[in-house]
Amino acid sequence: KQEVTQIPAALSVPEGENLVLNCSFTDSAIYNLQWFRQDPGKGLTSLLLIQSSQREQTSGRLNASLDKSSGRSTLYIAASQPGDSATYLCAVTADTGRRALTFGSGTRLQVQP
Amino acid sequence: DARVTQTPRHKVTEMGQEVTMRCQPILGHNTVFWYRQTMMQGLELLAYFRNRAPLDDSGMPKDRFSAEMPDATLATLKIQPSEPRDSAVYFCASGLVLSRGPGNEQFFGPGTRLTVL
Repeated sequence: KQEVTQIPAALSVPEGENLVLNCSFTDSAIYNLQWFRQDPGKGLTSLLLIQSSQREQTSGRLNASLDKSSGRSTLYIAASQPGDSATYLCAVTADTGRRALTFGSGTRLQVQP
Repeated sequence: DARVTQTPRHKVTEMGQEVTMRCQPILGHNTVFWYRQTMMQGLELLAYFRNRAPLDDSGMPKDRFSAEMPDATLATLKIQPSEPRDSAVYFCASGLVLSRGPGNEQFFGPGTRLTVL
């Protein structure tokens, strides 16, 4: 059974810092990996999708990398802003016909102004 | 601006009552997922459909939960009878799953926050 772990569980940084969120998964047979953002009381917003054949994806100040063989992904946020404060969730899709996501428990990020 | 919609956004009910949650997936998406989020368990898959056919509902308590897709624009999740332990946020997501090539990015609705008293 696939298990997804995110470290750290919570992070507080001053504005302007570059930061890295970590995600690991136990079964490397994945179809893709997706990073989401969730604001308190809100739904999930897709940030980046990395296919299993890709090494990284970039969107603005966000960069996500994937090392499938070692079961790891990182989300890099450059020049953090208070508006980045949210919970960041990592999720993987198994490389089978079953295309549902298995989620990590998330990293709660607070960026101090 | 295509997005997944869910109704109701909030529902408070008493134990034993029937609850129906609705989801409208993004037009053109062929796969619909139902997830449940709780503080203790995080996000868990309840069921999913492809081309309106149920593919996996192993995450649902079968005796009280049921999920259907009457047509391509509507997915429903029903709980009967509801129990306090069903209190959670229920998310619907949709995606386009192809047998080949990239894809399967999932887009989530705003969720239904259910409280069973």
